[in-house]
Amino acid sequence: QSALTQPASVSGSPGQSITISCTGSSSDVGSYNLVSWYQQHPGKAPKLTIYEGSKRPSGVSNRFSGSKSGNTASLTISGLQTEDEADYYCCSYVTSSAYVFGTGTKVTVL
Amino acid sequence: EVQVLQSGGGLVQPGGSLRLSCAASGFTFSRYDMSWVRQAPGKGLEWVSLITGSGGSTYYADSVKGRFTISRDNSKNTLYLQMNSLRGEDTAVYYCATTLWSGYHAFDIWGQGTMVTVSS
Repeated sequence: QSALTQPASVSGSPGQSITISCTGSSSDVGSYNLVSWYQQHPGKAPKLTIYEGSKRPSGVSNRFSGSKSGNTASLTISGLQTEDEADYYCCSYVTSSAYVFGTGTKVTVL
Repeated sequence: EVQVLQSGGGLVQPGGSLRLSCAASGFTFSRYDMSWVRQAPGKGLEWVSLITGSGGSTYYADSVKGRFTISRDNSKNTLYLQMNSLRGEDTAVYYCATTLWSGYHAFDIWGQGTMVTVSS
C-alpha cells in the first residue's frame, strides 16, 4: 500500500485560510469516508484533528474542517494562527483493518 | 484520566529483537482495538499493526509482516509489539494508539512514543 500523496509544504499569513490535499485511490480514500487528519508539532505525538472525513473531535477548533471529493480528501484551516504551524498527516482506512498515512505537509505561518 | 505509557525502546543490532510495551489506564482496555504507528527520523507516519480488543485478530503492514508480532494482555491492560529480525529501516519512534471517542477508524489517544534504533 503506497502512502497517500500530500503537498510537502503549504504556507499562509495569519488570518488566511489554507487547504491541504490528500490524494489516494479507489482502494482507500475513494472507497471509504474514513479519512482522519493529524497535527504534529516537533517532538510531540500526533493529535487527531478530523475523523471520518469531516468530524471534529471534542476540543478541536472549528477553524479546522475536512472534506472529500473522489479519491482526494482535504483539510482546510481557516483564520490561520501561529500555533497552527506544524506537520499535518492524513490517514485512510484500507480494507482488512489496515491504514495508510499520507506523506505529510509542513504548514508554515508567514 | 486516560493514559497510555510506553516502554521498551533502545538500541539493537541488525537481526536482533526487541519488545515494546504500552500500558493503558483510565478506560476499559479490552473493549478497544489497539495499533502501533511508527515514524522514522525526519519522515512521515507509518501504520504498523492492529490488534482487536479481544486479541483474536491481528493485522500488519507488509513492511513488518512475518517479523513483528502484536499482542495484548487484557488482564494487565498492556499492549505489546515483539520485533524480530530488525533492520536499519525499522529505526523509528514507535507510538501505540487507539480511538476512544472518534469512531472506529481514527487514533485519538497516542502514547508518548519510544525510540528504537537498529544499528551495529
